[in-house]
Amino acid sequence: ETGVTQSPTHLIKTRGQQVTLRCSSQSGHNTVSWYQQALGQGPQFIFQYYREEENGRGNFPPRFSGLQFPNYSSELNVNALELDDSALYLCASSANGVGRSYEQYFGPGTRLTVT
Amino acid sequence: AQKITQTQPGMFVQEKEAVTLDCTYDTSDQSYGLFWYKQPSSGEMIFLIYQGSYDEQNATEGRYSLNFQKARKSANLVISASQLGDSAMYFCAMRPYSGGYQKVTFGIGTKLQVIP
Repeated sequence: ETGVTQSPTHLIKTRGQQVTLRCSSQSGHNTVSWYQQALGQGPQFIFQYYREEENGRGNFPPRFSGLQFPNYSSELNVNALELDDSALYLCASSANGVGRSYEQYFGPGTRLTVT
Repeated sequence: AQKITQTQPGMFVQEKEAVTLDCTYDTSDQSYGLFWYKQPSSGEMIFLIYQGSYDEQNATEGRYSLNFQKARKSANLVISASQLGDSAMYFCAMRPYSGGYQKVTFGIGTKLQVIP
């Protein structure tokens, strides 16, 4: 079984631009969560997708949006980038309602730098 | 709202010794889960151990054990027989079981360094 993958690994964008980050969930997982981890901090929950619907959101503005596709892969879109958006973006997948559904498996992250 | 507090920014431990990483939490939920994750310098978060709030026994996974004291709202991670590969950031986290989604709240982390 394949693990969680994320692309790209690193990304440099300019303030005001838009960015799309991608995540492929682990085989058999139907739930994807996105987190932002600023330098020296713990991850902060952005939102979660379950069966293609957003079913939970943290304290992030609407310019952070997402999608989940029928194969349960997901995208995180950030519009109007700000310098404070520079962070490691982590995607985590889990099998909501199945087995040890509390276990989230994280991808390696995308490091976004906004200049 | 949930809050996780990790008061040890950095810890050192001698190889083969045991180490305890502290974690306290605050929640008004009666049902919740507690987690520990390891984050090496590569950035990937690695799940280590889980404790449910209604589990009567402390969780163990190999060299990892979770010292769960519900009344004190603490969930300390104990790593036995430390290895050089244990050097990493360690995050305590929790999620409530009320609500339909898995919002996980993380602490700020503890940096563990294992000394040969």
